[in-house]
Amino acid sequence: DVKVTQSSRYLVKRTGEKVFLECVQDMDHENMFWYRQDPGLGLRLIYFSYDVKMKEKGDIPEGYSVSREKKERFSLILESASTNQTSMYLCASSLPGTARETQYFGPGTRLLVL
Amino acid sequence: KQEVTQIPAALSVPEGENLVLNCSFTDSAIYNLQWFRQDPGKGLTSLLLIQSSQREQTSGRLNASLDKSSGRSTLYIAASQPGDSATYLCAVRNDYKLSFGAGTTVTVRA
Repeated sequence: DVKVTQSSRYLVKRTGEKVFLECVQDMDHENMFWYRQDPGLGLRLIYFSYDVKMKEKGDIPEGYSVSREKKERFSLILESASTNQTSMYLCASSLPGTARETQYFGPGTRLLVL
Repeated sequence: KQEVTQIPAALSVPEGENLVLNCSFTDSAIYNLQWFRQDPGKGLTSLLLIQSSQREQTSGRLNASLDKSSGRSTLYIAASQPGDSATYLCAVRNDYKLSFGAGTTVTVRA
């Protein structure tokens, strides 16, 4: 079974803090994704990585950056957290290249910025 | 830009009733469409994936149909059970990206 783990289930941070969210997958997947999920808005893609050190902006990259130094690990960084970044953050991974490609999701990190 | 809409936003049914969840999308140039389940405070679990060339997929009590030309998919859950209570999300894939609907939250009353 594919396993995607996220470093924290819940986080509480102060405005202006630098925040790191970590995601690790154990299936040697090339693709990794960070989403945020807000009520009524569904999941929105923040960043996507298709290989080590490679990244693409998603629909809402402002205020976020990412790092992928190893294939299995994809980090989301909030350089200076703001209250509007309070949300549920979901990481996913996938093996690219087929029409049946599916994304496997981690359990999510619920972030509260005060 | 792909827009995905799910109606209704919430649904409450008595146990045993069949469930019908709807999903519509604006760009029909998709690779596939997936239905996911999300339990409160948890990640997403893939239920069914329909490739763009397919019309439907079935798994146990679940059946999903796809009408690409009209931009619609329907998820049917037969003989609902309290354990089916969750949020169901529809997602369509255009090249590498998945675009998600906001979900339908289902409550099955015992």
